[in-house]
Amino acid sequence: NAGVTQTPKFRVLKTGQSMTLLCAQDMNHEYMYWYRQDPGMGLRLIHYSVGEGTTAKGEVPDGYNVSRLKKQNFLLGLESAAPSQTSVYFCASSPYTENTEAFFGQGTRLTVV
Amino acid sequence: AQSVTQLGSHVSVSEGALVLLRCNYSSSVPPYLFWYVQYPNQGLQLLLKYTTGATLVKGINGFEAEFKKSETSFHLTKPSAHMSDAAEYFCAVIAQGGSEKLVFGKGTKLTVNP
Repeated sequence: NAGVTQTPKFRVLKTGQSMTLLCAQDMNHEYMYWYRQDPGMGLRLIHYSVGEGTTAKGEVPDGYNVSRLKKQNFLLGLESAAPSQTSVYFCASSPYTENTEAFFGQGTRLTVV
Repeated sequence: AQSVTQLGSHVSVSEGALVLLRCNYSSSVPPYLFWYVQYPNQGLQLLLKYTTGATLVKGINGFEAEFKKSETSFHLTKPSAHMSDAAEYFCAVIAQGGSEKLVFGKGTKLTVNP
């Protein structure tokens, strides 16, 4: 049982480059989330989705775009990477019911130089 | 809007001592509350959660937490720390009634000294 899988696990980008982070879950969950984790800042919500075809902004959405074309996949895009986007990115998913815990991927460590 | 405050970004205890990690929440509606643990270079995994019912919740690895509505708190405790408990701990909240947003505190890094 794979759970939540993030691709890639590590990436180095040059300023101005673009890339897409892929999150895939095999648990048929409705909700999916993208967070970034920075030292001393905890996890901050970037974007989230409550179902296929829907997305919404979180706490720190600027510089990122997302898409949820298929229920099992949630893509996070960086159109023009900046050093401030150096971070560890986590994807999570949870069932429709809000009192159920979220399941996390292993993270993507992104460095923008 | 809901928010979470974790008091103390670093907590250090001796092996065998009591662990107490503090979490206070702010929510306009009754929340669901969670504690997650993150070991180095890993994702987050659930320790325990409070939804409804009993306010004292037991989780994995001997941890427990008590929901106190009057104090808007959900502190995490463990009677006797073990070296393997060294990790970062996150409190999280999601409001009942369709908020959908799972909001995290800034985390508390626990160090266990031999």
